[in-house]
Amino acid sequence: DIQMTQSPSSLSASVGDRVTISCRASQGIGNYLAWYQQKPGKVPKLLIFAASTLHSGVLPRFSGSGSGTDFTLTISSLQPEDVATYYCQRYNNAPFTFGPGTNVDIK
Amino acid sequence: EVQQVESGGGLVQPGGSLRLSCAASGFSVSSNYMGWVRQAPGKGLEWVSSIYSGGGTYYADSVKGRFTISRDKSKNTLYLQMNSLRAEDTAVYYCARDNLRAGLFGYWGQGTLVTVSS
Repeated sequence: DIQMTQSPSSLSASVGDRVTISCRASQGIGNYLAWYQQKPGKVPKLLIFAASTLHSGVLPRFSGSGSGTDFTLTISSLQPEDVATYYCQRYNNAPFTFGPGTNVDIK
Repeated sequence: EVQQVESGGGLVQPGGSLRLSCAASGFSVSSNYMGWVRQAPGKGLEWVSSIYSGGGTYYADSVKGRFTISRDKSKNTLYLQMNSLRAEDTAVYYCARDNLRAGLFGYWGQGTLVTVSS
């Protein structure tokens, strides 16, 4: 099965900083890559699908890029409400594996 | 209102069974790609099972042979029958869906907690 890894596992940044999270697939998955945000105690929310397409209602400070095996989620200007765990997920075929998550905190 | 609401979670002994339900409103479970995703306490997200709009079903290796996903068109409800439950199945189970592609989860329910313990 294709494995998903994320780096870093956690990060702490200042309000207004540009934040980048990486996700790597062990084999090529085209652009079938999604990013989810889960705030503490809340239900996960889809942020981005098809590697770079924003889901409905998602603010444009979030962006995604990449294809094949290497993908990136960028928050252009970190806000306090962005404190959350971010997961990547492949959905090219089953099993639809999630990455281990990246915890984002405010410094 | 478009939503899906899970129910059926609770405390069950190891080896026991439980059936989760996901009641949908405002959309058809038969016309969407539906699935279950779980999250053990303090852990990450784990895909469990999906049912395609055409009826095909898929399972994570960790639950294959023990869990069965199904849907009832007349009740507009998704189910997850869980048998031979183990302590490691303890988690919040989310019902999730999308209409674009199987395995993509644009819309989530609130989740139901399953605890497997003696």
